[in-house]
Order: sequence, then structure tokens, then C-alpha cells
Amino acid sequence: AQSVTQLDSQVPVFEEAPVELRCNYSSSVSVYLFWYVQYPNQGLQLLLKYLSGSTLVKGINGFEAEFNKSQTSFHLRKPSVHISDTAEYFCAVIRSGNTGKLIFGQGTTLQVKP
Amino acid sequence: DVKVTQSSRYLVKRTGEKVFLECVQDMDHENMFWYRQDPGLGLRLIYFSYDVKMKEKGDIPEGYSVSREKKERFSLILESASTNQTSMYLCASSFGTVREQYFGPGTRLTVT
Repeated sequence: AQSVTQLDSQVPVFEEAPVELRCNYSSSVSVYLFWYVQYPNQGLQLLLKYLSGSTLVKGINGFEAEFNKSQTSFHLRKPSVHISDTAEYFCAVIRSGNTGKLIFGQGTTLQVKP
Repeated sequence: DVKVTQSSRYLVKRTGEKVFLECVQDMDHENMFWYRQDPGLGLRLIYFSYDVKMKEKGDIPEGYSVSREKKERFSLILESASTNQTSMYLCASSFGTVREQYFGPGTRLTVT
């Protein structure tokens, strides 16, 4: 069965430090991957996506992610975080069969401390 | 910009009531989705619609139904609300099968 695993439920980090949020997926067909961010009391906003092409994907707010097919990973990184990056982050993959349906990971809460 | 709106941000209902959650998108997307979000469980798909009057069950459809009479509007119905349906409900839409989904702000439903 397809699944998405976010390896950390919470990641505390100090402001201006680098951060990596980890995501692994299991899939034999789909390699369409997304990262979404959810700020408190809001819906989800797309950070970046991998559909094809370069394995290093750049997104909004200085985030980037690297698709690694051999490791079945799609880790999210930012070289220097801000307090405003405090939010919940979700990794997602399109289900096999390309029906447009997503499978989401359980989410990682990024806590940026001053 | 794509806009997905949901009829209420917060809703409090009593056990046994019929509850309607409305979602409207303004970008002519074919696909629309309803999810519920619970701490530690991420987002779980309740129902999915790929066209007007077409619907498909997601992972947790029990206790819910949906209606899509117009392309821009997708309604989630709780026929008889129960306390275990207290949750955050998120609506989303997308164009095509390999595209990102756009989300509404969510409705936090409390059933007492």
C-alpha cells in the first residue's frame, strides 16, 4: 500500500539555524510529490512540488526539497529559518493511478525559537 | 489566484443534528475533495468528486455524504452528527490528475 512517512512529529530549532524536515514515501508508480505548510488556524498552502525534471526543487519562502528516488525520500530544507516559519508541514504524494488524490503524511510541527 | 472558500470557520452542533458544510472554488477545477484533519493523523480523505454529480468514497466515508450539483460547489453532509465527528474539515480543489490541490481555510466543527 502507498504511504507517506514524516519521520519527526516535532522539530524545535533556533532562529537563523538550518532545518531539514524528513519525508519518505513508498510507491511503485507515482512519483509526484508535494510539501504543504499550514499556519495556525489556516488551510494548507503549497510550498513546492516535484512532478518531473530536476530533482532539486525550489519553493516559496526560501524552502527547497530534493527528490531521491533510490532512497524514496523528499526531504524539505531551509538554510536559515525565521520565527514566521513556525507552522505544521505536510508531505504528500499523488496516489498511483493518477486520480488526483493525495496521500498525506502525519505532519511535522516546526517550532522556531528566538 | 485560486480561491477556495468554506461557509463557516467555526461551527458548533448538537449530537444527532444534520450538518452541511459548503465549499466553493472559483477556478473551474474539475476535482474537489473533502478531508478531515485530526492531531497526529494528518489529513484523511472523506470524499472526492471529479465532475458534477460524480462522487467517489475516500478512506473514511462512513457517516458522511456529499453533493455536487454545480461544478464550483461541493457540499459535505453529516446526516446525524456524532461527537467523534468533532474535527477540522478542509475542502480542496484541483485541475487535472497530476496537479496540486488548493485548500480552503477549514471549518472547525464541534459536536456536543
